[in-house]
Amino acid sequence: EVQLVQSGAEVKKPGESLEISCKGSGYSFTDYWIGWVRQMPGKGLEWMGIIYPGDSDTRYSPSFQGQVTILADKSINTAYLQWSSLKASDSAMYYCARIPGLPRPGGFDPWGQGTLVTVSS
Amino acid sequence: EIVLTQSPATLSLSPGERATLSCRASQSVSSYLAWYQQKPGQAPRLLIYDTSNRATGIPARFSGSGSGTDFTLTISSLEPEDFAVYYCQQRSNWPHSFGQGTKLEIK
Repeated sequence: EVQLVQSGAEVKKPGESLEISCKGSGYSFTDYWIGWVRQMPGKGLEWMGIIYPGDSDTRYSPSFQGQVTILADKSINTAYLQWSSLKASDSAMYYCARIPGLPRPGGFDPWGQGTLVTVSS
Repeated sequence: EIVLTQSPATLSLSPGERATLSCRASQSVSSYLAWYQQKPGQAPRLLIYDTSNRATGIPARFSGSGSGTDFTLTISSLEPEDFAVYYCQQRSNWPHSFGQGTKLEIK
């Protein structure tokens, strides 16, 4: 079974750093992109960025460029989303999801279960 | 950056009715358009990829159509479990933007 399992919920203070993870299993981790999606409370889905673990090619949405860092360690089939200095506005649910690169068919599937990040003083 | 605009924002229908959801792109995305369903407290689920292909396990009442800039998700006969929020997403260009969502609610 193809699965993405994310790390658990986090409660942090403004200014702190954070790394959340997404571990893939049941498929060749280096053959698919892993994307990160933010969902703020009561709001829609926002595409943050994506990484190809095979060669670490990474793309960011302009809205998130410089605000987060996306990494992957293909030796342990895990992708990461990092913040160096959290803000209260980073409080949200964060999802990872797998997608094949063009021209292979597909969409974001599967999705991780989500990681809730709460940033509060 | 490609902007996806979904309409309507909210759609009120009854079980058994047909639902038609729209997604319009600010420029052509070819056929690289997907649809997702999200229920409260759950991660999104892929329904349709590349305009018209149903994902594994998705019932035949869900269908997608369109090309270029105009796309449609149709649910032929609504079941109670179909009431949720639906998002479209393009993967033609970086960033792979999402639409703002359509909430399908029970009338």
